[in-house]
Order: sequence, then structure tokens, then C-alpha cells
Amino acid sequence: QVQLVQSGAELKKPGASVKVSCKSSGYTFAGYSIHWVRQAPGQGLEWMGQINPNTGATDYGQKFQGRVTMTRDTSVNTAYMELRGLRSDDTAVYFCARGGDLSPFDHWGQGTLVTVSS
Amino acid sequence: DIVMTQSPDSLAVSLGERATVNCKSSQSLLQSSNNQNSLAWYQKKPGQPPKLLIYRASIRQSGVPDRFSGSGSGTDFTLTISSLQAEDVALYYCQQYYSGPPAFGPGTKVEI
Repeated sequence: QVQLVQSGAELKKPGASVKVSCKSSGYTFAGYSIHWVRQAPGQGLEWMGQINPNTGATDYGQKFQGRVTMTRDTSVNTAYMELRGLRSDDTAVYFCARGGDLSPFDHWGQGTLVTVSS
Repeated sequence: DIVMTQSPDSLAVSLGERATVNCKSSQSLLQSSNNQNSLAWYQKKPGQPPKLLIYRASIRQSGVPDRFSGSGSGTDFTLTISSLQAEDVALYYCQQYYSGPPAFGPGTKVEI
């Protein structure tokens, strides 16, 4: 069965960086994009960007341009999201999700809580 | 970019009664190539990831109970829960995947 398993919770200081991983199994990793979505406390779902595991091509949301980098390692079927220059309002649960080109997100990781606090 | 809005912000429905959530997009989500609407609905419960309920505006994802249904076309869409169950208490989000950044609506809280 399709599974996306994310890395564990992180506590970071303002200005630091965080890198969250998303390991895929149960399907052909290169066949679907991996999207990253976050949900801040009491807020809605916010799309951050996506990576095509086959080509490595990325597409970032305008809000995160210059601060986020999405990568993948096809040898271990894992996608990564690195966010730099963390601020308190980056405190959120970060999700990875599987999606195709202009397709809905049909499988999601369990979420990774990133807390930014001094 | 396409902007999604939802109404109401929240609603309270008795067990067994109908719940209706509305979603509107700032431009049409109808794909002329296949006459399908690029609109999905998700259910989000605390501590859980979002769950895909409906895609192409009206197609239930595998395993989703048939009390959930989606309708609408173009810019106006509706999610209906025909007979609300206790386990349906959640936030519901619509999402467009027609073009550009895949945007979510702000969410609708469904309570009993």
C-alpha cells in the first residue's frame, strides 16, 4: 500500500533552518510529484511547493521563494523540504503529499511539527 | 492565481441531518479538454493528515462513504454529507488543481 512517512518533530530557534524528509513506499516514486503543505496553529492548509522526483524540477509558492528548497533522493525514494530563516510564524505542521500533474493529493504523510521558538 | 472561498465558516448539524458546504473559485475550473472540473474536497481532523474525499468535483475517492457527495461546475461547488455521523466532525477544505499553485479554500468546520 502507498505510504509516505515523514521525519520527526523539530524544535528550532529563529533564524535557523529545518529539513524535513518524506519517505515513499508502495508505488513508483518517480511517477508522482511530491507536494509540501503546511498548517499553522488555528490556520488553514497552505501549499508550499512541489518536486517532480523523476526530473528534480521544482515549483515553489511565491511566499516561500528564496527560503525553501525541495530535493529528492531516488535511491531511497525520499523527498526533502528545507526551510531557511525560520520565524515564529513558521511554526506549523508540515505535510508531504503525493500528487500528479494537475491532480489532487491522494496520499499524505503523517505530518511533522516544526516549532520555532527562542 | 486562483483564489478559493468557502461558506459558511462553520456549521452545526444534528446527527443524521444533512450538512452542506459551499466552495467558490475565482475562475472556472472546468477543463475544456475533458469536461471535468479540477476541484477536490478534503476532510481534516485534528492530529491527522488531510484525507481526499472527492476529486473532479463529484467522484468519491475509494473507500469514502457514499453519504459524502460533491456537485457543481465552473466556479461553484458543493460538498454534501447526507446524514451526518459523529465521525464526520472535522474541517473540510476544497482545493483547485486546475492551474497554477494548487490553492485550498479557508476551510469549513462541521460540528454537531
